[in-house]
Amino acid sequence: AQSVTQLGSHVSVSEGALVLLRCNYSSSVPPYLFWYVQYPNQGLQLLLKYTSAATLVKGINGFEAEFKKSETSFHLTKPSAHMSDAAEYFCAVSSNTGNQFYFGTGTSLTVIP
Amino acid sequence: KAGVTQTPRYLIKTRGQQVTLSCSPISGHRSVSWYQQTPGQGLQFLFEYFSETQRNKGNFPGRFSGRQFSNSRSEMNVSTLELGDSALYLCASSLLTSVGNTEAFFGQGTRLTVV
Repeated sequence: AQSVTQLGSHVSVSEGALVLLRCNYSSSVPPYLFWYVQYPNQGLQLLLKYTSAATLVKGINGFEAEFKKSETSFHLTKPSAHMSDAAEYFCAVSSNTGNQFYFGTGTSLTVIP
Repeated sequence: KAGVTQTPRYLIKTRGQQVTLSCSPISGHRSVSWYQQTPGQGLQFLFEYFSETQRNKGNFPGRFSGRQFSNSRSEMNVSTLELGDSALYLCASSLLTSVGNTEAFFGQGTRLTVV
């Protein structure tokens, strides 16, 4: 069975500081991993996805994530936080049977001016 | 390219009523899945449809049902509404080029409030 765990339901960073959002996965097979962002009263927008082509994945808005099999992690980072980055972030793993995603509980990012 | 369209955006219903939500996927996408999002339970998978067939189903009671039409549009229905059904219902559309290796494009959701 596949699942993801997000450590830290709330993260606060200062504007310009490093953003680090943590995600660990559990999967019996090589996983497909995703990070999504959700703004208030909106759907989810894909930031990036890992599909085994490269361990360091670059996404939109300056975000990137590194797949580390030894640590079963897929943490999301951004070198310099922007006020517009304040949102809810979800890590997800897809099933091997179709278009079904297992989401983490989400991390709310606050950016302090 | 038009995105995923969910209608209506907001709904208020009374306990015991039923409701139907609609989702139009991105053109060419044949897979549609539904999720319920609540503050307490987070994002939970309801079901997935592919080419008019339900392929996967989450752990929800039979009051929750869905269907997909030949043009890939999907509807989900909730009968005998309960207060706990109040949630944001999200629809996701996917091209699904190979199993698992896909990305889901989400609609803006339908906010259902049961009073």
